[in-house]
Amino acid sequence: GAVVSQHPSRVICKSGTSVKIECRSLDFQATTMFWYRQFPKKSLMLMATSNEGSKATYEQGVEKDKFLINHASLTLSTLTVTSAHPEDSSFYICSARSATSGLAKNIQYFGAGTRLSVL
Amino acid sequence: GDSVTQMEGPVTLSEEACLTINCTYTATGYPSLFWYVQYPGEGLQLLLKATKADDKGSNKGFEATYRKETTSFHLEKGSVQVSDSAVYFCALSDQGGFKTIFGAGTRLFVKA
Repeated sequence: GAVVSQHPSRVICKSGTSVKIECRSLDFQATTMFWYRQFPKKSLMLMATSNEGSKATYEQGVEKDKFLINHASLTLSTLTVTSAHPEDSSFYICSARSATSGLAKNIQYFGAGTRLSVL
Repeated sequence: GDSVTQMEGPVTLSEEACLTINCTYTATGYPSLFWYVQYPGEGLQLLLKATKADDKGSNKGFEATYRKETTSFHLEKGSVQVSDSAVYFCALSDQGGFKTIFGAGTRLFVKA
């Protein structure tokens, strides 16, 4: 089955630093990737949708200057949390969707998530 | 807009009990419906899906039937195991597959 690798799985950083999270589709080309944020015991909140080679589309209320998303290739998207603060501490999950044959088009394949703790 | 509503948890069951987690949706057109499972500390995994009315998705003993007349997609399992303890998310994807909307999630605890 399709595999999405997300790295790192856990990161602890000081307030004011920037953190980069990588999301890679290992065995398929991900034309679209999604970044979610999950608060404790809550559902997933879609932050942004990115398509390879174009700017990400952010959901209302998500600061694009704070959460920088780059989808430079068909297998890699990155989320950078800039000048992180304690309120940015959360579980961030990426997912990837393929438009190519061989994989169901409407299925999102999820990474294992990154737990960010900002001190 | 489109939305998904699922029963609040947590749901606590004994091993081998029957499970039903209710899920209803509102959507225009003909969405695809999904159940995802999240084990502690992990991302989401697709459990099952249905893409049109009356389809039944099934996997690992779990089943859900796409009921357009009642706009429901309830998750069922006849005999749960301790290893089924997780959070279950009902979700829908619009016709174009551009966006997936998740329910709030239902936490299941299964006791031995």
